[in-house]
Amino acid sequence: GQQVMQIPQYQHVQEGEDFTTYCNSSTTLSNIQWYKQRPGGHPVFLIQLVKSGEVKKQKRLTFQFGEAKKNSSLHITATQTTDVGTYFCLVGSGGSNYKLTFGKGTLLTVNP
Amino acid sequence: NAGVMQNPRHLVRRRGQEARLRCSPMKGHSHVYWYRQLPEEGLKFMVYLQKENIIDESGMPKERFSAEFPKEGPSILRIQQVVRGDSAAYFCASSPPGGTEAFFGQGTRLTVV
Repeated sequence: GQQVMQIPQYQHVQEGEDFTTYCNSSTTLSNIQWYKQRPGGHPVFLIQLVKSGEVKKQKRLTFQFGEAKKNSSLHITATQTTDVGTYFCLVGSGGSNYKLTFGKGTLLTVNP
Repeated sequence: NAGVMQNPRHLVRRRGQEARLRCSPMKGHSHVYWYRQLPEEGLKFMVYLQKENIIDESGMPKERFSAEFPKEGPSILRIQQVVRGDSAAYFCASSPPGGTEAFFGQGTRLTVV
């Protein structure tokens, strides 16, 4: 079945430092989605990547999809306390039975 | 267009009772996913349904748990004879035909006492 590894599991940074989380798959992906979940909240959709080598930016967030479509990264530049939360990747395997599998998430804490 | 609606938001059940969790997908979405999140842990896939069909239930415990997505009405996740270990947040997500991005409801937090 679909295997998704997300690293690191935890990351603590000082406000202003950068942060990166990685998502790696054992198989080629149809697409990858990134979500953020605040403590006590629900996953909120951030972005979807579909194309090989795709790079998308949202303000201080940069999302990349690997050339082989087996890995992805989320990078936050100059973290702020509002960035605190768990960042999950969600991967899709194609075909008629489309299954979505979450990575275990990276919990980001930011020290002001 | 309302988002994914889950109810109740909080549910307290005594051991041995039944818990029934509801999920109304976004308009036009025919795919529903249920996930369970234990405290301090990630989201774990339970079941994937399309209208009137269970497509993949590989993440669902074999006993006491069942799910349905009828032609009319919300998707239901049913847990019979709940135990303390069932206490968790249960999230539902929906996506349109073709399986593009999924949108999550706010979850149902089940507490078994």
